[in-house]
Amino acid sequence: NAGVMQNPRHLVRRRGQEARLRCSPMKGHSHVYWYRQLPEEGLKFMVYLQKENIIDESGMPKERFSAEFPKEGPSILRIQQVVRGDSAAYFCASSDQRGTSTDTQYFGPGTRLTVL
Amino acid sequence: KQEVTQIPAALSVPEGENLVLNCSFTDSAIYNLQWFRQDPGKGLTSLLLIQSSQREQTSGRLNASLDKSSGRSTLYIAASQPGDSATYLCAVRPGTSYDKVIFGPGTSLSVIP
Repeated sequence: NAGVMQNPRHLVRRRGQEARLRCSPMKGHSHVYWYRQLPEEGLKFMVYLQKENIIDESGMPKERFSAEFPKEGPSILRIQQVVRGDSAAYFCASSDQRGTSTDTQYFGPGTRLTVL
Repeated sequence: KQEVTQIPAALSVPEGENLVLNCSFTDSAIYNLQWFRQDPGKGLTSLLLIQSSQREQTSGRLNASLDKSSGRSTLYIAASQPGDSATYLCAVRPGTSYDKVIFGPGTSLSVIP
């Protein structure tokens, strides 16, 4: 059973370009979470999605960031018109349960975005 | 609002020592608490998950305890090895918004051979 997969692992963009980060959850998982780890800072929650639905986007910046998890295919985190402050490691996690105390999230290896 | 802190921020110990990492959280209403390991430039590896009804969990040389009433958890590492060098993250799933996980800032551990 393959783990959570993210691609690309490293992404370099120039200011103003778009960044697309992909996350394929573990087989059988229908819940996806995105987290961001800024340099010298801790991991912060961004968004929680189920298939075709955004459940909680309270951690998403109001502008330029969007996320989707279509019925088929990976979850996508899109950052439009990137700025240097977007440089960070973006982690995706998936789970197959919701709201139980044994629920655990399995994390992918992350995508490291560098904005020049 | 749930906040998670970890002390110390960094720790350096000689190989073979037993050590304790500390995690504190401000709201005792949690669903579970999890300890992760993160190696430089890598993803997260789950070490131990403690359910809200449990007091501790053990895996090999690792033991994690949970005291919800005082808002504390400790990760005990026995007989440390150089391969244990990494950043250790404490993460809480809140009781009021159980879908997201709130991470502490981490403890950077270095085990000297």
